[in-house]
Amino acid sequence: GQSLEQPSEVTAVEGAIVQINCTYQTSGFYGLSWYQQHDGGAPTFLSYNALDGLEETGRFSSFLSRSDSYGYLLLQELQMKDSASYFCAVRLFSGGYNKLIFGAGTRLAVHP
Amino acid sequence: NAGVTQTPKFQVLKTGQSMTLQCAQDMNHEYMSWYRQDPGMGLRLIHYSVGAGITDQGEVPNGYNVSRSTTEDFPLRLLSAAPSQTSVYFCASGVRDELYEQYFGPGTRLTVT
Repeated sequence: GQSLEQPSEVTAVEGAIVQINCTYQTSGFYGLSWYQQHDGGAPTFLSYNALDGLEETGRFSSFLSRSDSYGYLLLQELQMKDSASYFCAVRLFSGGYNKLIFGAGTRLAVHP
Repeated sequence: NAGVTQTPKFQVLKTGQSMTLQCAQDMNHEYMSWYRQDPGMGLRLIHYSVGAGITDQGEVPNGYNVSRSTTEDFPLRLLSAAPSQTSVYFCASGVRDELYEQYFGPGTRLTVT
């Protein structure tokens, strides 16, 4: 089977930097995605890493180390609107098809 | 573009009843999927489809059926609802070769009593 581990909660203050880690144990790994979900809303795509290294998209960056089965999402210059749940998701090739499997999510609370 | 639409938004069922959750997308995406979200458990894949006529099981398929007769529609059927199926259901779609980026519908909140 497959498993993804990420912290259940993280707290930070406005303007700070926070890192949300994700470790995975899977077969057929293709890459790691990150999604954001505000309370009552639908998940929205943030970033994707297929290769080792850092991908930057504005205030958000995502990192992947395939050899360590590890990735993280880095949020800089935190704003109150960043309070949300963040999910890592692995893209797998299994049974002849690709699929996207999500972790349990990390709830980020940003305080003034 | 409407994106991914889901109906109904809310539904209450009694144990043993059946129903179909509707999902449609207007982006011509080959890939569509159904997830359920329960507190503390993230999004769990129920069933997915890589194109019309092709479906496969995800992580938690028991109690659910799907079919994909058109590119646009991917309904999820609950044959005999159980309280354990109380959840928020999300439908998503994406380009088959880029499914790391999926577009989610607004969700259906289902309660089974």
